[in-house]
Amino acid sequence: GAVVSQHPSWVICKSGTSVKIECRSLDFQATTMFWYRQFPKQSLMLMATSNEGSKATYEQGVEKDKFLINHASLTLSTLTVTSAHPEDSSFYICSATQGRASNTEAFFGQGTRLTVV
Amino acid sequence: AQSVTQPDIHITVSEGASLELRCNYSYGATPYLFWYVQSPGQGLQLLLKYFSGDTLVQGIKGFEAEFKRSQSSFNLRKPSVHWSDAAEYFCAVGAPGNEKLTFGTGTRLTIIP
Repeated sequence: GAVVSQHPSWVICKSGTSVKIECRSLDFQATTMFWYRQFPKQSLMLMATSNEGSKATYEQGVEKDKFLINHASLTLSTLTVTSAHPEDSSFYICSATQGRASNTEAFFGQGTRLTVV
Repeated sequence: AQSVTQPDIHITVSEGASLELRCNYSYGATPYLFWYVQSPGQGLQLLLKYFSGDTLVQGIKGFEAEFKRSQSSFNLRKPSVHWSDAAEYFCAVGAPGNEKLTFGTGTRLTIIP
């Protein structure tokens, strides 16, 4: 299957700083990328959907100014956590699809563990 | 709105025994249904999916799932589990024409010798 690479796998940052997480589709063009947040022992919560070349669509309750998403190319989307605080510590996972219908398989990155100290 | 319920938070099964993980969904029409597996600290891997047609779906690693419209269920089964199957399993539902997936809360599978 297709490969989605997320970088970094883990990051520790100081409170108040910003952190950027990259999500790359290595062998296919990702029309749509999704960003999820997963709390310990809980499910994935969709944060936002990004389509290449357009603004991301954020889910209700997700602060768009805090979680900046850029999908500048068909193989790269980035999530920047701005002015991070300890409550932003979580596991962030991206996924990518080649189409815009839900019968298009989504391929997931390996996730990024963010710890804010 | 679509939703998914996985009633079992944690299941423990002996190696070699059969497995069934439950998933119930809520959606007004025929949904797209998925099962994913997640190892600790890793992303998700697709086990199988149902879009239409045969209600018994075969997936990777010997897993299968059956779509039962009358019960709004999509339970995951495996006839004989291996220690390597220990992981977190997520059921997800998608709506035709909508790219978003809604995930259940997951079932953690522990395998004992």
